[in-house]
This record gives sequence, C-alpha cells and structure tokens, in this order.
Amino acid sequence: AQSVAQPEDQVNVAEGNPLTVKCTYSVSGNPYLFWYVQYPNRGLQFLLKYITGDNLVKGSYGFEAEFNKSQTSFHLKKPSALVSDSALYFCAVRDDQAGTALIFGKGTTLSVSS
Amino acid sequence: NAGVMQNPRHLVRRRGQEARLRCSPMKGHSHVYWYRQLPEEGLKFMVYLQKENIIDESGMPKERFSAEFPKEGPSILRIQQVVRGDSAAYFCASSPQGQENTEAFFGQGTRLTVV
Repeated sequence: AQSVAQPEDQVNVAEGNPLTVKCTYSVSGNPYLFWYVQYPNRGLQFLLKYITGDNLVKGSYGFEAEFNKSQTSFHLKKPSALVSDSALYFCAVRDDQAGTALIFGKGTTLSVSS
Repeated sequence: NAGVMQNPRHLVRRRGQEARLRCSPMKGHSHVYWYRQLPEEGLKFMVYLQKENIIDESGMPKERFSAEFPKEGPSILRIQQVVRGDSAAYFCASSPQGQENTEAFFGQGTRLTVV
C-alpha cells in the first residue's frame, strides 16, 4: 500500500526567503506525485505533479518540486516566499497501477512573515 | 465546465440522526474520492468509487458509513446514527477514468457538525 509522510507540521519563513516543504513517499510500483494547497475554509487546489521525465517540475504561483527517486522524496520549493503563500500544503501519491487511490500526507502549515 | 459540486456546504445534525453528503463530479469524470479532514489528522482517505462500483473502501469505518456512486446522479456519502466524533470537513474529489496520472479536482467540502 502507498503512503506519504510530511515530517514537518509547520514551516516558518520570512518573506523573500526561499522555502522548502518536505515530502517522502512509499509505493509498490512507480509513483505519481502531487502537491495541493488549501486556504482556510476552502477545498484543495492543485499546484503541480510529477508523472515522468524531468525531476524538477514547475507549477502554479512560482512553486516547483524536485523528484528524487533514490531518496523517495518530492519536496516542494519556492525561491522567494510571499506572505500570500501562507496556507496548508498537502503532498499526495498514487501508484501507477490502475485502481489505486490518491493518498495524502497529513499536511504542512506554511507561515510566511513580513 | 463547473467544478466539483458538494452540498450542502454546512450540515448540522443531532446525535443519532443520519447525514447525507452529496458530490457531483466534474463533467466527464467517472471516478470519485471521499476524504475526511480533522484538524489533527490531515486529509484521510475514505473511499474511491467509480460509477456503480466501489474500487477501494479501505479508509471507511466499518460501521455506520457507506458510499455510493449510482449510474445517474451524484455520489452520496451516508453516515448513520451520527456521533460527535463524526464532526469534520468531508471533501469529495473527481478524476477522469483510466488516467491515474491526472490530478484530482476537489469540491469546497461539507462541514458536518454533530450537536
């Protein structure tokens, strides 16, 4: 069965500094990896995904993520954080075999201070 | 193309009553996921359905909870004899059939409060 770990409950960064939100995963086959963001009292919004190809994927709002197969990680990054990036971030994984569910991590709260 | 529609947005039930949560997937999507979100537990997978079939219900509690996705109409998550611990936000997501590499699209959620 697949699983996702987000080791940090909260990440604090100053505006303008780079940010990293960590994610590691476990699957039986090959992973499809996703990042979502949730603002208060809202549903989840898709940010980016890794399916195959380049290990560095770029997504919405200037976010990017790096797939590392040997470390089974898919960390979310942004070169320069904005206060408006403050939100709850979820990493998700699905095994590439048909019929598998999309499984989420527990989420990491990102707080960007001005 | 309307997004994933969930209703009601807020639902209040007394202990022992039934709660019915509805989810209409995006047009053309035949796969639906239900998740429960609690403040300390993150987003917990409950059930994965396609039209008239349950594909994976490994996250569903063994009692009082059921889900369906009929050939016509929305997907329904039903909670019988609700208890205070069922209070949570319930999210539905949908994706196209046979496209495991495609992201799922989420609804705004139903916030269930059991009093």
